Amino acid sequence: DADVTQTPRNRITKTGKRIMLECSQTKGHDRMYWYRQDPGLGLRLIYYSFDVKDINKGEISDGYSVSRQAQAKFSLSLESAIPNQTALYFCATSDPARGQGYTFGSGTRLTVV
Amino acid sequence: AQTVTQSQPEMSVQEAETVTLSCTYDTSESDYYLFWYKQPPSRQMILVIRQEAYKQQNATENRFSVNFQKAAKSFSLKISDSQLGDAAMYFCAYRSFYGGSQGNLIFGKGTKLSVKP
Repeated sequence: DADVTQTPRNRITKTGKRIMLECSQTKGHDRMYWYRQDPGLGLRLIYYSFDVKDINKGEISDGYSVSRQAQAKFSLSLESAIPNQTALYFCATSDPARGQGYTFGSGTRLTVV
Repeated sequence: AQTVTQSQPEMSVQEAETVTLSCTYDTSESDYYLFWYKQPPSRQMILVIRQEAYKQQNATENRFSVNFQKAAKSFSLKISDSQLGDAAMYFCAYRSFYGGSQGNLIFGKGTKLSVKP
């Protein structure tokens, strides 16, 4: 099993719909992240969480919300999807030892039509 | 705030040859970490190599090596003996030594590498 699992892998949804992207990890790490990838823009941080009770906005949090249901689970929601939220979304987790980098999920490709 | 710049949106290399991908960063910190991630068409983010800023020795992982120039704030990735499987998007990333939000990973915009047979 993958260390970080994201579901769904791909999703097409309509403008105005609510959608949730789910992420779970088996690394036992406290820190989890949601990033968005757009062509030519790299990866940008949406939200991050250092533990279940510590959730923080990242660079581009508008239009998104998150829920940290447990140490292992961190969900990203789009309350009312819009076409410019079409992107590749990554969940990641990290070890407190910051030199170790992140472990990423395989991404969710979301298309809003 | 720290920034990471990859000035080459696309690069191309002939199979078996060597290619260097550029990355520069801006920071006022003296302790930090630098990373190169590879994203093949499968879209998985794969850690290629990492460098601690306090180490003068350049990191090496098999055919991948870096040229870390701390004073110039430069962190280039060299791929030797390029293989078709090296074709991917490559991201340079910075992570502060310090905790809190400063320890979040900051990415460049990426370089798409093509490998010609």
